[in-house]
Amino acid sequence: DTEVTQTPKHLVMGMTNKKSLKCEQHMGHRAMYWYKQKAKKPPELMFVYSYEKLSINESVPSRFSPECPNSSLLNLHLHALQPEDSALYLCASSQGQGVDYGYTFGSGTRLTVV
Amino acid sequence: AQKITQTQPGMFVQEKEAVTLDCTYDTSDPSYGLFWYKQPSSGEMIFLIYQGSYDQQNATEGRYSLNFQKARKSANLVISASQLGDSAMYFCAMNGNTGKLIFGQGTTLQVKP
Repeated sequence: DTEVTQTPKHLVMGMTNKKSLKCEQHMGHRAMYWYKQKAKKPPELMFVYSYEKLSINESVPSRFSPECPNSSLLNLHLHALQPEDSALYLCASSQGQGVDYGYTFGSGTRLTVV
Repeated sequence: AQKITQTQPGMFVQEKEAVTLDCTYDTSDPSYGLFWYKQPSSGEMIFLIYQGSYDQQNATEGRYSLNFQKARKSANLVISASQLGDSAMYFCAMNGNTGKLIFGQGTTLQVKP
């Protein structure tokens, strides 16, 4: 299995809702990443988990809450989002953090906040 | 700090011709990796090619080659024999010792029949 699977593919949520995005990989990768991508812009790094511990938080607002329950699973919990948070959320994984490791991306969750 | 610059917002190429997408970078890390990704309108990020900073030879993967000029800090992507399916957004990206993968602004490539 050489894939990163993200669910759901599409999500529409209200500003008072709580929802979660899920990312799963079974490649034995020990680093996992969340990126946010607005239309026609590059992906922006949000969080990095290494060996199930949060190693990088790129000053992301607290309405985004990451969780890594085990080495295969990465969640992004969403609460009280704003319309400007509407974007494509990409998950990625790599064997480790460092120069020599490639990244495998999921196909993303398209989030719309209404 | 690391920085990736792609100066071509949009490019056109005729089918079957070659095209070069430009990428320059800046970093203080002694070792780093350079990547190119293709992103069709569906949104998936497709890995194309990788070049390590210590690799002596330019990377090649099928119709893709990376023209790596370390002294000039450039890592241009060359696509040979363009196909209609190559129409997409292309991102140059790099990582360093922290493992962060950062992206350039992207180039939209349109292949004309």
